[in-house]
Amino acid sequence: GDSVTQTEGLVTLTEGLPVMLNCTYQTIYSNPFLFWYVHYLNESPRLLLKSSTDNKRTEHQGFHATLHKSSSSFHLQKSSAQLSDSALYYCALGNYKYVFGAGTRLKVIA
Amino acid sequence: NAGVIQTPRHKVTGKGQEATLWCEPISGHSAVFWYRQTIVQGLEFLTYFRNQAPIDDSGMPKERFSAQMPNQSHSTLKIQSTQPQDSAVYLCASSLVGAGNTLYFGEGSRLIVV
Repeated sequence: GDSVTQTEGLVTLTEGLPVMLNCTYQTIYSNPFLFWYVHYLNESPRLLLKSSTDNKRTEHQGFHATLHKSSSSFHLQKSSAQLSDSALYYCALGNYKYVFGAGTRLKVIA
Repeated sequence: NAGVIQTPRHKVTGKGQEATLWCEPISGHSAVFWYRQTIVQGLEFLTYFRNQAPIDDSGMPKERFSAQMPNQSHSTLKIQSTQPQDSAVYLCASSLVGAGNTLYFGEGSRLIVV
């Protein structure tokens, strides 16, 4: 079945440094939809960005990701971390049901 | 527009008791999902309804968990004979039907089994 792997459980960064959260997936579908959801404390998880187009950069709120079908990856990046980016980030594969990775907690410190 | 509504927000139950969690999806959304959120497993898929019909319950522990969607405006997740390992945040989400649509989550129900 479908699966999503996020290798880092916790990423701690100093404000201003670049962010990269890893996401790889496995699926039998040739045109998968990949998502990044962000979960701030005391809020609902919400969509950050999504893509189904191979090799096209998708951006939202300063974050970006590019779906690479050749490597089954959809890594999340940001050029400069902010304190307000501290949250739990989930990568998800959405075909007919949505399969999430284990999540990566991003902690940005001053 | 109201978002996905989940009740109760917090529930403490004794081991062996029953817990029922409710979800009201966004009006017009025909796909409803239940997930369990834990530190170890992340967002673990439980079950999925489409147009009120159960489509996939492959994530449900079969013996004690059950889910229903009696009408388009609410779904319930019932856990019988609760165990400490059932302690988690249970999240309900809804979306339009079809691959690639955005999932909208409720705020979750935090279940603590003591």
